[in-house]
Amino acid sequence: GQNIDQPTEMTATEGAIVQINCTYQTSGFNGLFWYQQHAGEAPTFLSYNVLDGLEEKGRFSSFLSRSKGYSYLLLKELQMKDSASYLCAVRARNAGNMLTFGGGTRLMVKP
Amino acid sequence: DGGITQSPKYLFRKEGQNVTLSCEQNLNHDAMYWYRQDPGQGLRLIYYSQIVNDFQKGDIAEGYSVSREKKESFPLTVTSAQKNPTAFYLCASSPRGAGGRETQYFGPGTRLLVL
Repeated sequence: GQNIDQPTEMTATEGAIVQINCTYQTSGFNGLFWYQQHAGEAPTFLSYNVLDGLEEKGRFSSFLSRSKGYSYLLLKELQMKDSASYLCAVRARNAGNMLTFGGGTRLMVKP
Repeated sequence: DGGITQSPKYLFRKEGQNVTLSCEQNLNHDAMYWYRQDPGQGLRLIYYSQIVNDFQKGDIAEGYSVSREKKESFPLTVTSAQKNPTAFYLCASSPRGAGGRETQYFGPGTRLLVL
C-alpha cells in the first residue's frame, strides 16, 4: 500500500518563499506529482519528479529524494493568487497511471 | 480543443433518489477515474476504468456504480445506498500506461448536494 503525508495548512506573506513538504511510503515508486487546486475548481498539474533532484519551472520548483521518501514544492515570490491547496500524489510501479493522493496542503498568502 | 467535461456543475439529490454524473473526454485517453473530495480533504478514489467495458472498485465504491460503454464516457451513478453523498466529485482521465510526466487530467467537477 501507499501512505502520503503533507501538512494540512500553511500561511505565508506575499513576496516571500514557502516550502511545502510531502513524505511518502510506497512499495514501488514510479513518479511524484504536485497539483494546484483553487477552491471549488479542478486540480491542475504543476510538476513531476521521478529522479532525485530539483526540477525548476518559473516561480515553482519541486525536489525529490527517493531514498528518503521525501519531496517538497518550493514557491518563490509568492502572489495572492497562489492561495490554493497543493496536492502531492505518488504513482506506483506496475499500476499504470493510478495515483495516490495526500490530503493536500492549504496555503494562505497574506498581504 | 481537447479536454474533460463534467455536467452538471451543481446537482441536488432528494432522499432515496439515484443521480447520475456525466464525464466526457476527447483526449483519446484509455483510462478514466472518479474521485470524491470532502471539504478540506484530499481525493479519494471511487472507481476507475483502464479500458472500455472494464472497471474496478476504488477505495470507497460502496453506494456508487459506473459504466464504460464508450472510450469517451464514464458516468457515475450515486445510488440511494450512499448515505452521505454531499461532496465535490471529480472525474479524470489519463493514458493507460505510465509514460513519464503523462498523468491524470481533471474535469471541472460536480458539486452534489442533498435536499
